[in-house]
Amino acid sequence: DAGVTQSPTHLIKTRGQHVTLRCSPISGHKSVSWYQQVLGQGPQFIFQYYEKEERGRGNFPDRFSARQFPNYSSELNVNALLLGDSALYLCASSLRGLGETQYFGPGTRLLVL
Amino acid sequence: AQTVTQSQPEMSVQEAETVTLSCTYDTSESNYYLFWYKQPPSRQMILVIRQEAYKQQNATENRFSVNFQKAAKSFSLKISDSQLGDTAMYFCAFMKNFGNEKLTFGTGTRLTIIP
Repeated sequence: DAGVTQSPTHLIKTRGQHVTLRCSPISGHKSVSWYQQVLGQGPQFIFQYYEKEERGRGNFPDRFSARQFPNYSSELNVNALLLGDSALYLCASSLRGLGETQYFGPGTRLLVL
Repeated sequence: AQTVTQSQPEMSVQEAETVTLSCTYDTSESNYYLFWYKQPPSRQMILVIRQEAYKQQNATENRFSVNFQKAAKSFSLKISDSQLGDTAMYFCAFMKNFGNEKLTFGTGTRLTIIP
């Protein structure tokens, strides 16, 4: 079975632009979470979606938004990009979205110039 | 708010030796989950082991085992018979038992296995 997939793998943007990152969970998983991992640090929680509803939001500005589709795939959108948004963005999925083990995708490396 | 502390930024050990990675956490919750994840240079985060706080028995997965001390809020990872493929960043993570599935990660320990 395929694991969590993310696209694109790498992305270069300039300040002020917006970006859309995509994630497909493991088949049968209904929960998707997004994390930001700045170089040299542990991942920071951005969002969790379960059954298309937002279940949790981390301490990120409103420039960050996400949604989950009926097939449980998800998009993370970031508007008005800043240099500090340069990071590895990780998507994780779990079966039922509470107390479950999360399985991570390979990530999208975003560089903002 | 929960915090997770990994006090060893880097460690190295000879192949086939045993190594222990430390993790402490701070929470007022009584029910929660603890995890160790591994992130090799290829960057994909991989689950190593999981512990439920209500279980007194320490989790074990093949060469990996934990020492869970709930009162001390300590959750160390022991890797036995270390292998070159164990070279990676290791992250300790905490999850509450309610609300959402937010993982709170430590800053990681970079482990190098020396041939």
